[in-house]
Amino acid sequence: EVQLVESGGGLVQPGGSLRLSCAASGFTFSNYCMNWVRQAPGKELEWISYISPSSSPIYYADSVKGRFTISRDNAKNSLSLQMNNLRAEDTAVYYCAGDLARSPRWFFDLWGRGTLVTVSS
Amino acid sequence: EVVLTQSPGTLSLSPGERATLSCRASQSINSNYLAWYQQRPGQAPRLLIYGVSSRANGIPDRFSGSGSGTDFTLTISRLEPEDFAVYTCQNYGSSPLTFGGGTKVEIK
Repeated sequence: EVQLVESGGGLVQPGGSLRLSCAASGFTFSNYCMNWVRQAPGKELEWISYISPSSSPIYYADSVKGRFTISRDNAKNSLSLQMNNLRAEDTAVYYCAGDLARSPRWFFDLWGRGTLVTVSS
Repeated sequence: EVVLTQSPGTLSLSPGERATLSCRASQSINSNYLAWYQQRPGQAPRLLIYGVSSRANGIPDRFSGSGSGTDFTLTISRLEPEDFAVYTCQNYGSSPLTFGGGTKVEIK
């Protein structure tokens, strides 16, 4: 079955760090572009980061640039998001989203169910 | 930034009825790069439509997309029980990528 499964969410204090993971299965992960998209409570979906199949280039939304780092391990079919200096406004469900093409098309064919990150003291 | 406004916020319909959902952009979307997604509670979002009117793999033909420029529509010709969900449009024609606020289709 083609799927993405996120993990690593939880409660963290402001200024803290958290690392999210996304396990891919059922497709050739190393061939495709991957992204993280988040949705804060009651808000629209927000794209936050992109990584190419080869890990270069990488892009970030301005809201997370300098604080979040996306990476991938093609040998392990895994995508990660290291989140540092977390703020209350980072509270959201974080989705792993696949753009199943070798070059970005910027829409997302495959999504995980998401993992909830709550930033609160 | 392209702001996407979806209407109505909630659509109350019965199974078998036709649903018409609107997505209006604050400026013209380049090359008609607009997509639609379905979100059911607790489930992964699902790509329905890309390029305004192209159905994604495995999407039934009761789902159709139309429009151009700043006004776009998702139509569900006959609602099935599994279609009651939230539908979200996405601009991917310009940076930053943006999403609409969603339309909830609920059972009347």
